[in-house]
Amino acid sequence: AQSVTQLGSHVSVSEGALVLLRCNYSSSVPPYLFWYVQYPNQGLQLLLKYTSAATLVKGINGFEAEFKKSETSFHLTKPSAHMSDAAEYFCAVSGDTGGFKTIFGAGTRLFVKA
Amino acid sequence: EPEVTQTPSHQVTQMGQEVILRCVPISNHLYFYWYRQILGQKVEFLVSFYNNEISEKSEIFDDQFSVERPDGSNFTLKIRSTKLEDSAMYFCASSDRGRHEQFFGPGTRLTVL
Repeated sequence: AQSVTQLGSHVSVSEGALVLLRCNYSSSVPPYLFWYVQYPNQGLQLLLKYTSAATLVKGINGFEAEFKKSETSFHLTKPSAHMSDAAEYFCAVSGDTGGFKTIFGAGTRLFVKA
Repeated sequence: EPEVTQTPSHQVTQMGQEVILRCVPISNHLYFYWYRQILGQKVEFLVSFYNNEISEKSEIFDDQFSVERPDGSNFTLKIRSTKLEDSAMYFCASSDRGRHEQFFGPGTRLTVL
């Protein structure tokens, strides 16, 4: 079975500081990994995805994530936080089952201080 | 750019009533999904659907729930007799290949009174 663990339910950074949101996964098959962002009262927007190509994945809004198989991690980073980055971020994994469901982590709420 | 659409955006119903949530997946996609997110919690998988049948369902997806693709474009989730705990945001998603990116709709917020 697949699972995702997001370390830290809340992360607070200052504007301009590095953003690091942690995600570890468990999967019995090579995983497909995703980061989604959710702004208040809105749907899920895909930030980036890993689908077994390059291990360093670049996404929208300056975010990137690195797939590290040895550490079973897929941490999300952004060099310089912007106030508009404040949102809930979900790491997700898919592909383990015939139904191809996506398993989401519990989410990390990012706060950006001025 | 093609997108998944969902209607209504907000549905309010009385406990015990039936509701149908509607989704129009991206037109050439073959795999369809429903997820739900209770307020303040994570997104949970409900059911996946392929080739006109359920591929997989979670423990949440009990006999009160059903899905249907009544025509070539719509994908619906029916809750037969709603409970207070069914109040949540329900997301529809679709994908062209099973393990690849799923495209999510904007969600339907269901409120059961």
